[in-house]
Amino acid sequence: GENVEQHPSTLSVQEGDSAVIKCTYSDSASNYFPWYKQELGKRPQLIIDIRSNVGEKKDQRIAVTLNKTAKHFSLHITETQPEDSAVYFCAENTGFQKLVFGTGTRLLVSP
Amino acid sequence: GAGVSQSPSNKVTEKGKDVELRCDPISGHTALYWYRQSLGQGLEFLIYFQGNSAPDKSGLPSDRFSAERTGGSVSTLTIQRTQQEDSAVYLCASSLAGGADGELFFGEGSRLTVL
Repeated sequence: GENVEQHPSTLSVQEGDSAVIKCTYSDSASNYFPWYKQELGKRPQLIIDIRSNVGEKKDQRIAVTLNKTAKHFSLHITETQPEDSAVYFCAENTGFQKLVFGTGTRLLVSP
Repeated sequence: GAGVSQSPSNKVTEKGKDVELRCDPISGHTALYWYRQSLGQGLEFLIYFQGNSAPDKSGLPSDRFSAERTGGSVSTLTIQRTQQEDSAVYLCASSLAGGADGELFFGEGSRLTVL
């Protein structure tokens, strides 16, 4: 089936703290897992992605980890800043080559 | 244009009317996706095109929804006999290649309000 569970739905942190968002997928054929950030009133934009042949990928303050055995992947943001406040969506490409998104996590970083 | 263009940006219609939403993808992008985002909700997959073909229409909510793509470029999403539950932002995205294993570039969306 095609279902991406995403947790938590909301996350509040203090500036400088770390934030972790987790997703669980069900399609074992999926091999591409991107994360999109949507600021208020804006379009979603890709921030990082990972393919199934690697377990971790980093880009400055953000990182994504993938556990194919457990079928879950996570977004890690370190040293959070107020401009990180947004809704974050995980996604998987299903065997039918479409991108299915999670339900989103609203991250609020307080100064 | 430089990005994905959608029109209209806002549409207010009366229940029962038909509406047509347009998406102009980035030139050269073969894959095109339609998603629906209700207020404060996630991105609900509707349909995707590879060229002019739609291999997966499973996300269309009902037979009132249809979409087409011509010339491997512009796509239109048509909603017939609109209902209040159709109110949402309709997002279009395009990608350089199919397979959903590359970046999707989203448009600004078309906000539909059905009164």
